[in-house]
Amino acid sequence: GDSVTQMEGPVTLSEEAFLTINCTYTATGYPSLFWYVQYPGEGLQLLLKATKADDKGSNKGFEATYRKETTSFHLEKGSVQVSDSAVYFCALYSGSARQLTFGSGTQLTVLP
Amino acid sequence: DAEITQSPRHKITETGRQVTLACHQTWNHNNMFWYRQDLGHGLRLIHYSYGVQDTNKGEVSDGYSVSRSNTEDLPLTLESAASSQTSVYFCASSEGDRGEQFFGPGTRLTVL
Repeated sequence: GDSVTQMEGPVTLSEEAFLTINCTYTATGYPSLFWYVQYPGEGLQLLLKATKADDKGSNKGFEATYRKETTSFHLEKGSVQVSDSAVYFCALYSGSARQLTFGSGTQLTVLP
Repeated sequence: DAEITQSPRHKITETGRQVTLACHQTWNHNNMFWYRQDLGHGLRLIHYSYGVQDTNKGEVSDGYSVSRSNTEDLPLTLESAASSQTSVYFCASSEGDRGEQFFGPGTRLTVL
C-alpha cells in the first residue's frame, strides 16, 4: 500500500538557518504530494502541493519539488523564522484510494 | 467565511462511557474524514464519508462509528471509551478528487 516516510525530529534550528525536511514515498500510480503544517494547538493546514512529476510547490518561502525518479518531496526553506516553529507533515493523495496518507510528522523549533 | 468546527475542544471521560465528538463544516464539501493523532504515528484515518448516507471504515476504525445524515455534519461516536482512545481527534473535509483537505481545530479526548 501507499506509505510516506519523513525525517524524524525534533529539528532545532537558529533563526535564518536553512531548513530541509526529507520526505520519501511509496505509491502505485501517480500520486499528488502535499506538505501540511500544524501550529501549536491548531489543526493542519495546507502549506504547499505538487500534482505531477517535476512540479515545484511553494508558499511562504517554503519549496518542495516532486521527484519521481527518487520518489521524494523534500521541504526546504532558505531562512527560517521563529514563527515557522510547528509540526510539518508530508502526505500523498492517491486518486484510486481517494485518501491522504500521512508521514509521522517532524517537529521544528526555531530559536531566536 | 466557510469553516470546519469541532466540539468539544477538550473532553475528559471515563472508561466504558459513550462519547460523541461533533464535526460541522460550512464548505458544502461532499467528503468528510475523521483522524486521530498520536505521537509517533502521525495522523491515522478512522472513518470517512463521500456523501450523505455514505460511511466507510479507515485504518483504525475498531471502537468507533460515524453517521452522515446531512452534508454539514459527521459525528464520531466512541461506543465504549477505552484508555487506548485517549488522543487528539481531527475532522477534515474536501471536495471532489483533488486531495486537498481542510482540517478542524481538533478535540483532545482523555479517557480515564
